[in-house]
Amino acid sequence: LAKTTQPISMDSYEGQEVNITCSHNNIATNDYITWYQQFPSQGPRFIIQGYKTKVTNEVASLFIPADRKSSTLSLPRVSLSDTAVYYCLVGPMDSSYKLIFGSGTRLLVRP
Amino acid sequence: GAGVSQSPSNKVTEKGKDVELRCDPISGHTALYWYRQSLGQGLEFLIYFQGNSAPDKSGLPSDRFSAERTGGSVSTLTIQRTQQEDSAVYLCASSLYQETDTQYFGPGTRLTVL
Repeated sequence: LAKTTQPISMDSYEGQEVNITCSHNNIATNDYITWYQQFPSQGPRFIIQGYKTKVTNEVASLFIPADRKSSTLSLPRVSLSDTAVYYCLVGPMDSSYKLIFGSGTRLLVRP
Repeated sequence: GAGVSQSPSNKVTEKGKDVELRCDPISGHTALYWYRQSLGQGLEFLIYFQGNSAPDKSGLPSDRFSAERTGGSVSTLTIQRTQQEDSAVYLCASSLYQETDTQYFGPGTRLTVL
């Protein structure tokens, strides 16, 4: 499974756009990129998943360059409630449930 | 309820005791998963159920850990002769049909072994 590297923490302010980048240099051809969000004392929550280029849903956008060696989760106009840990996972779809969550990125949104 | 529920929310036990953790998946979800998360760490996969059978038990750390699922719904994770290193948050997730479907996580059970 591809190893991922994310910043340990990020700070932002309400209303700003936040971009969290994840590096995955040894991503394999059949690997997908998935992002989860986790609040304290809760289980992770699926945010978005993609394979290449750009994916957008009602919560976030995911940008994946052509070489797929990195990806960027973009959260538009964050609010205080977006304060959480964000995990980037890379691996094949059929064994995605076995993906190991790393330490993630702790995002703190300030008023 | 609409989501995955787990009980108890907190469990404190003494070293050497057995514990049972329960998971109620979303109604109609056939796939169920158990994970554990140690303090400040990421998730560690334990076991995956498809219906009542467990095609993947590869994450169970030792034979003290077992799990079962009955009626294709509720699952119980049992830890025998608990050790202090078993202290963690045990999370359950379910997905609609198969392992490629989006997982929905429960709130977890925080287990503390004294």
